[in-house]
Amino acid sequence: DTGVSQNPRHKITKRGQNVTFRCDPISEHNRLYWYRQTLGQGPEFLTYFQNEAQLEKSRLLSDRFSAERPKGSFSTLEIQRTEQGDSAMYLCASSLPKAAGQPQETQYFGPGTRLLVL
Amino acid sequence: KNEVEQSPQNLTAQEGEFITINCSYSVGISALHWLQQHPGGGIVSLFMLSSGKKKHGRLIATINIQEKHSSLHITASHPRDSAVYICAVDPYGGSQGNLIFGKGTKLSVKP
Repeated sequence: DTGVSQNPRHKITKRGQNVTFRCDPISEHNRLYWYRQTLGQGPEFLTYFQNEAQLEKSRLLSDRFSAERPKGSFSTLEIQRTEQGDSAMYLCASSLPKAAGQPQETQYFGPGTRLLVL
Repeated sequence: KNEVEQSPQNLTAQEGEFITINCSYSVGISALHWLQQHPGGGIVSLFMLSSGKKKHGRLIATINIQEKHSSLHITASHPRDSAVYICAVDPYGGSQGNLIFGKGTKLSVKP
């Protein structure tokens, strides 16, 4: 257990429905990341936050995807009008801020939310 | 071509064997990470290194920045080491959040 929690752990939904996932990072970590991982592949970056500010979004994050971190603590990832291609493991990670001139701080990953879109 | 390539994709070993997993990358980096992913999805960070070598228990990670290559070694392998091992790089000058991941190496250690 890394201290990062994600809910739900599994989600099965029908195509066209909306789904929302939650991530609770380690409390003192002000950076939070979302990744997507499909079967047999490594994780792919989706977006990240520093405190409540969303600093970068991948081109993978279509307009059906939205992420928020309203108070700089937990984050939600919503997928609207789900498609079968959205089926994947959605991973959240958190870290301390990157110090100037230093490589990125270690990211601590949550257990993931496995989404299946029927 | 992926920016981060791992080999082998799959590896089966007998308990006690010495294991090496390789990672090559094509971009300049400020750091390289080795991660372990168990069935069910949980990912644990094993190492973050930008030069030389790091050791933790039976795990050793090395990196050669000039050759853009890193290796993860497991000595005296054990069935509990069975997992997917993922290499990820932090591109130099890139986004502060955007790690680039390899596809992973699936390791199975037989008793």
